[in-house]
Amino acid sequence: QVLLVESGGGVVQPGRSLRLSCAASGFVFSSYAMHWVRQAPGKGLEWLAVISPDGNNKDYADSVKGRFTISRDNSKSTLDLQMDSLRADDTAVYFCARGDIGGYCTNGRCYGVWVDNWGQGTLVTVSS
Amino acid sequence: DIQVTQSPASLSASVGDRVTITCRASQSISRYLSWYQHKPGRAPKVLIYATSTLQDGVPSRFGGSRSGTEYNFTITNLQPEDFATYYCQQSYSSPLTFGGGTKVEIK
Repeated sequence: QVLLVESGGGVVQPGRSLRLSCAASGFVFSSYAMHWVRQAPGKGLEWLAVISPDGNNKDYADSVKGRFTISRDNSKSTLDLQMDSLRADDTAVYFCARGDIGGYCTNGRCYGVWVDNWGQGTLVTVSS
Repeated sequence: DIQVTQSPASLSASVGDRVTITCRASQSISRYLSWYQHKPGRAPKVLIYATSTLQDGVPSRFGGSRSGTEYNFTITNLQPEDFATYYCQQSYSSPLTFGGGTKVEIK
C-alpha cells in the first residue's frame, strides 16, 4: 500500500533553516507529482508546494515562496522541503502528500493533481 | 490565484442527521474539487474527488455535487465516526487552495 513517512521535524530558532524529508513506498514514485501541506496549531490545512514527477516543474504558496524549496530524488523515492528564514508562524505539522496520477505539470504550474494519499506528518516548532 | 470559500466554519449535528457543507470557488474550476476528512493527530483522508466521485472504500452516505462554482458536500445519516473537520480543495491549477474547514461536532 502507499506509504509516506515524513522526518526531520523538530525545534528550530527563528531565522534558521530546517530540511524535511519524506520517504515514499508502495508505488512508482517517479510517476507522481508530490505535495507538501501544513497545519498550524488551531488552524486549517494550508497547501505549500507541488513538484512534478520529473522535478522540472514546481509551484509554491505565496506564504513560502522564496523561503521554501521543494525537491525530489526519484532514485531514492524521497521528497524534501528545504525551509529557510523560518518564522514563528511556520510552526505547524508538515504533511507529505501524493498527487493524483491523472494530473499534469507544465510551465511551472500543475493541473488536476489533487491529493490522494497523505503521510502522518512531522511537527516543526519555530521558537527561540 | 484561485480562492475557495468554505461554509459554515462549524456545525452541530446529531447521529442520523443530514449535513451539508458548501465551497465556492472564485473562478471556474470545472470538476477539480476534492473533499477531505481530518481527525486530530491523524493524516487527512480523501473522501471525494472530481466533485462527486467517492474514493475507494468511502461509505455511500458521503456525497458531492456542483452548481456552477458552488460545490456541496453532504453526509446523510451522520455516524459517530463522522465527527471531524472537513476541507475542500481545488486542484484545477496550482497553487492549490483549501477551504477554511468545517468542524462537525456532536449536538
